[in-house]
Amino acid sequence: AQRVTQPEKLLSVFKGAPVELKCNYSYSGSPELFWYVQYSRQRLQLLLRHISRESIKGFTADLNKGETSFHLKKPFAQEEDSAMYYCALSGLEGANSKLTFGKGITLSVRP
Amino acid sequence: DAGVTQSPTHLIKTRGQQVTLRCSPKSGHDTVSWYQQALGQGPQFIFQYYEEEERQRGNFPDRFSGHQFPNYSSELNVNALLLGDSALYLCASSLAGPSGGEQYFGPGTRLTVT
Repeated sequence: AQRVTQPEKLLSVFKGAPVELKCNYSYSGSPELFWYVQYSRQRLQLLLRHISRESIKGFTADLNKGETSFHLKKPFAQEEDSAMYYCALSGLEGANSKLTFGKGITLSVRP
Repeated sequence: DAGVTQSPTHLIKTRGQQVTLRCSPKSGHDTVSWYQQALGQGPQFIFQYYEEEERQRGNFPDRFSGHQFPNYSSELNVNALLLGDSALYLCASSLAGPSGGEQYFGPGTRLTVT
């Protein structure tokens, strides 16, 4: 079975503060982890994936297989980062590309 | 490219009725996945279609069925609607293969069952 846990529902920070959105997963095979984001009145979109090892909009996430975590971080939050963030998992085996999502966390960045 | 499109945007049905939702994938994509998103929850995987066949299925009853057409567009059908089927239904498209988890989502169809 594959499972994604996002332990917090809401994170509220001031502009310029660091942000860490937590994500833990459970998967018996080789996982691929993603962060998807939904800005107000927009559709769900991919923010980043662990395989690409990119920094997108200043966000980074490192896959920690020992702790089965994939936390999303940004050193200095901006107001435009306010959105709903979902951590998601799929399998790297090719045949399993379904996404299993966490419940999501609302990030609110105050001016 | 308009990306993934879904129709209709909103739908109101009565318990026991049947509904069909439609999805057109992003240009160049061959795989369509459907998700149900209840209020306050993350999207839940319903099933995935590739080469006009159901390739994977989530934990949903047989009342949920689908179809993929030769042009890769897809339909989601739900029979004998229950109040609990009220949700946002998301369609996502992708390319088959190891990057299959990189999915492009449509705006969703909001289904209300009364």
